[in-house]
Amino acid sequence: KNQVEQSPQSLIILEGKNCTLQCNYTVSPFSNLRWYKQDTGRGPVSLTIMTFSENTKSNGRYTATLDADTKQSSLHITASQLSDSASYICVVSAGGSQGNLIFGKGTKLSVKP
Amino acid sequence: DGGITQSPKYLFRKEGQNVTLSCEQNLNHDAMYWYRQDPGQGLRLIYYSQIVNDFQKGDIAEGYSVSREKKESFPLTVTSAQKNPTAFYLCASSIVGHHTYEQYFGPGTRLTVT
Repeated sequence: KNQVEQSPQSLIILEGKNCTLQCNYTVSPFSNLRWYKQDTGRGPVSLTIMTFSENTKSNGRYTATLDADTKQSSLHITASQLSDSASYICVVSAGGSQGNLIFGKGTKLSVKP
Repeated sequence: DGGITQSPKYLFRKEGQNVTLSCEQNLNHDAMYWYRQDPGQGLRLIYYSQIVNDFQKGDIAEGYSVSREKKESFPLTVTSAQKNPTAFYLCASSIVGHHTYEQYFGPGTRLTVT
């Protein structure tokens, strides 16, 4: 069964600190992996999309890594800001039809002053 | 401004009533999607459409219906047959054909049925 597991479920950090969120997946075939940021009560916004051949991708203070061999990805947030408080969702595309995305449950990050 | 709009942001209905959620996009995307989000759950696909006048069921289509009469619009009807309709509903759109197609999401509609 195709699954995307994220950890931790929730995380509290102090403003200015770094943090790393984890994503493990069992999806086959694998097409690409995405990280989305979702503010409370809003729609998700894309941070990165990585294909099989990409190991790392950055978007400002967000850096995503992908290890396709171990089927793991991480999202590292540097110098956190209060505005980083949100849920971060890992999504894996199994390719094929347009509707074939498998969503993780998300990690809820709270950045405290 | 290009983007996806969903209306209304909050919707309240009595049990047994059908309700239609609106989704409009001006990104010129061919594909559109409806997802449902429940607390502590990942997004689940209800329906998607890759072209006008055609759509496919997702993982949880029972109790829902859609239409795609125009490229820009993909309304979702939550029928009285949906057993647990209270949820946050998200519409998305994307281009078709590239395997790294990005889905752009609307702001969502929170539906409460009592």
